[in-house]
Amino acid sequence: AQSVAQPEDQVNVAEGNPLTVKCTYSVSGNPYLFWYVQYPNRGLQFLLKYITGDNLVKGSYGFEAEFNKSQTSFHLKKPSALVSDSALYFCALARNAGNNRKLIWGLGTSLAVNP
Amino acid sequence: DSGVTQTPKHLITATGQRVTLRCSPRSGDLSVYWYQQSLDQGLQFLIQYYNGEERAKGNILERFSAQQFPDLHSELNLSSLELGDSALYFCASSRGGPSYEQYFGPGTRLTVT
Repeated sequence: AQSVAQPEDQVNVAEGNPLTVKCTYSVSGNPYLFWYVQYPNRGLQFLLKYITGDNLVKGSYGFEAEFNKSQTSFHLKKPSALVSDSALYFCALARNAGNNRKLIWGLGTSLAVNP
Repeated sequence: DSGVTQTPKHLITATGQRVTLRCSPRSGDLSVYWYQQSLDQGLQFLIQYYNGEERAKGNILERFSAQQFPDLHSELNLSSLELGDSALYFCASSRGGPSYEQYFGPGTRLTVT
């Protein structure tokens, strides 16, 4: 069965420092992987996705993520965090073939960027 | 602005009642998804429609039902409401299959008293 895990409920980082929000997955076959961000009292916003091709994916607001097949990870990164990056981040996974291609969501990681 | 609209923005109702939440997808999107978000259960996928037909089901209660109309808007019906149904309900839309990103509406906050 496919699954996605965000091992950290909360990540704290100082403004200007690099940030990483972790995501690991389990799937038979090749995955589609997504990152979304949710600001308070708002709907989720798409940040970036990995479908195929380059393992380093660049997305909105200066975020990027690296697909690592051997470690089954898709960590979200940003070189220099902003206070405005403080939000809830969700990783999501779908299979790219076969049955049951429903999107599976992680539980979310709350990112706090301290000034 | 994602291009997905949801109405109403807020809804307060009593236990046992029935409500209907409405969603209009982005122009050109064929898939509509419904989600429930609460503090204790996080983001829960409820159901997906694609071009009028049910495509996938998640943790949707039997008291809840949804449909997608020929103009592609969708409605989520919640009946025999319980206090525990109080949550944010999001609609999202996408072009179609699982490789496409979803665009979320602003949500409907349902409070059951």
